[in-house]
Amino acid sequence: NAGVMQNPRHLVRRRGQEARLRCSPMKGHSHVYWYRQLPEEGLKFMVYLQKENIIDESGMPKERFSAEFPKEGPSILRIQQVVRGDSAAYFCASARQGWTGELFFGEGSRLTVL
Amino acid sequence: GQQLNQSPQSMFIQEGEDVSMNCTSSSIFNTWLWYKQEPGEGPVLLIALYKAGELTSNGRLTAQFGITRKDSFLNISASIPSDVGIYFCAGQPSNTGNQFYFGTGTSLTVIP
Repeated sequence: NAGVMQNPRHLVRRRGQEARLRCSPMKGHSHVYWYRQLPEEGLKFMVYLQKENIIDESGMPKERFSAEFPKEGPSILRIQQVVRGDSAAYFCASARQGWTGELFFGEGSRLTVL
Repeated sequence: GQQLNQSPQSMFIQEGEDVSMNCTSSSIFNTWLWYKQEPGEGPVLLIALYKAGELTSNGRLTAQFGITRKDSFLNISASIPSDVGIYFCAGQPSNTGNQFYFGTGTSLTVIP
């Protein structure tokens, strides 16, 4: 019974390149959340998705960032034209339909922008 | 977004001591969650609370949903070295659907 799977665990990009982070929720989970964490800080909400729908993207920067959760396949957080300030750990969490109010996190993807 | 104030920011305690930390919000919450995060790992859910006044235990951990619905507390009894980590509270406000907000964390160091 696999948990939330994120890949890659570590990603290095040069400024201006694109970063794609993938998240496969737990089996049976249809809600996906993305959070960003800077060193020594808490988790900042970015976006909440259900299958094929963005429910709340109020925490996501308007430019360069996008997220999707297609009918088939993992959720993807995409950062275009990365800048050094995008360096952070990006965590995905999932919850099941029928909402128990519990979020389960993956181990995160650590993005370093050179 | 919602502000969650978590305190203390850090704690250094001797093995065997009890630990208390709390989280307060500026508005009413429907759900409180407590997580532990170790270096290089994702947060792991410890306890979930759904009703005002609810008191829930998980081994040596006990958490309470405050009766005002604006705060929550986590206690760890008889701390051991493996309790080291950062503890986060998370809350779901009653007026913003399914979004969760996180506190800034309490860093716990246990001295053997």
